[in-house]
Amino acid sequence: ETGVTQSPTHLIKTRGQQVTLRCSSQSGHNTVSWYQQALGQGPQFIFQYYREEENGRGNFPPRFSGLQFPNYSSELNVNALELDDSALYLCASSRIQSTDTQYFGPGTRLTVL
Amino acid sequence: TQLLEQSPQFLSIQEGENLTVYCNSSSVFSSLQWYRQEPGEGPVLLVTVVTGGEVKKLKRLTFQFGDARKDSSLHITAAQPGDTGLYLCAGAEAAGNKLTFGGGTRVLVKP
Repeated sequence: ETGVTQSPTHLIKTRGQQVTLRCSSQSGHNTVSWYQQALGQGPQFIFQYYREEENGRGNFPPRFSGLQFPNYSSELNVNALELDDSALYLCASSRIQSTDTQYFGPGTRLTVL
Repeated sequence: TQLLEQSPQFLSIQEGENLTVYCNSSSVFSSLQWYRQEPGEGPVLLVTVVTGGEVKKLKRLTFQFGDARKDSSLHITAAQPGDTGLYLCAGAEAAGNKLTFGGGTRVLVKP
């Protein structure tokens, strides 16, 4: 186990709704990154948070937003859900001073109907 | 935009056979990581390679980072059914930065 936890495990929403996914990082890690993994594909980088601020963003629209809290846990919020948002959402924690090793949580499976 | 291409996309072999998965890019990465992912779970880190030409061994798995740090390979010797899974390579551009993933290679080892 990596020590990274995510909740909920599964979620079903309908188009237009909003969703919040949560992630607790591994002890000693101050950086959280979020990835979207569509079925049959590799994960795609959404954004990274370091010391409660966004520290890099991938090619995702503004309706994907995030937060990092003082205890380094993080939230991913998605507004105005679309069918294509159905995916496994992964968070990964790391120490930004490390040799780039990121440790992943088990993911949240989001289904948008 | 940095891209990583993995090949093959799918590999089905018999127990005891060897296999190699390739990960190629036109860009240089500061490091490259290999993960294995089971259905419905997050990727689990297997190894991180940092130095061009580096070779790392993890039991029956051998990982190599190309001299120019643009490509990598994963070789499994005498594959077992427990090696079945999705193998992902991921490159990092700089310390602590985002990971760029390949599309993955799905490996099936039949008993």
